Amino acid sequence: EAQVTQNPRYLITVTGKKLTVTCSQNMNHEYMSWYRQDPGLGLRQIYYSMNVEVTDKGDVPEGYKVSRKEKRNFPLILESPSPNQTSLYFCASRQDTGELFFGEGSRLTVL
Amino acid sequence: QQQVKQSPQSLIVQKGGISIINCAYENTAFDYFPWYQQFPGKGPALLIAIRPDVSEKKEGRFTISFNKSAKQFSLHIMDSQPGDSATYFCAASLDNQGGKLIFGQGTELSVKP
Repeated sequence: EAQVTQNPRYLITVTGKKLTVTCSQNMNHEYMSWYRQDPGLGLRQIYYSMNVEVTDKGDVPEGYKVSRKEKRNFPLILESPSPNQTSLYFCASRQDTGELFFGEGSRLTVL
Repeated sequence: QQQVKQSPQSLIVQKGGISIINCAYENTAFDYFPWYQQFPGKGPALLIAIRPDVSEKKEGRFTISFNKSAKQFSLHIMDSQPGDSATYFCAASLDNQGGKLIFGQGTELSVKP
């Protein structure tokens, strides 16, 4: 089954404690991206990757890092989380038609 | 210039009625306009999409109407059903920017039985 898998799905952490949200896709897509969803703001792109070892900033990259060492994986790293990073996070990969396939989301709370 | 503005923020429709969600964009170079549907606890999924060379696209009960001169496009859901209750996002993209999608703010649709 074609899918994008994110982990963890739910996480509560404290300010400053580094965390990583993993993302893996099994569709051999070159393009992957991370979004955050906040009420009234829609989906905003954090980082994207056009291929292995090629990453670039989206619209709201501050406080986040990513890496793309393998085609299937695109982890999101919060080096020092802050309360304003409390959000619902989505990883997505894109097929050649332009359609994005999203994971089921990771709800993060930073206390 | 890169914004996509979506309205209304929330919408309540009776079963069998028509749901209409509107989006407006600023950048006339956008050339791909998809709508995504998101159920609670799930990620968004592509519902229907249109390119600016046509004014309307219909797939079952879902229709996109596109007005290039007004820089607006809308989603119409005919014969709305309780199972259509979800959050809907419009989006727009530029192929020469690697297809980066700019999303609207989202509309929470509730269809009452």
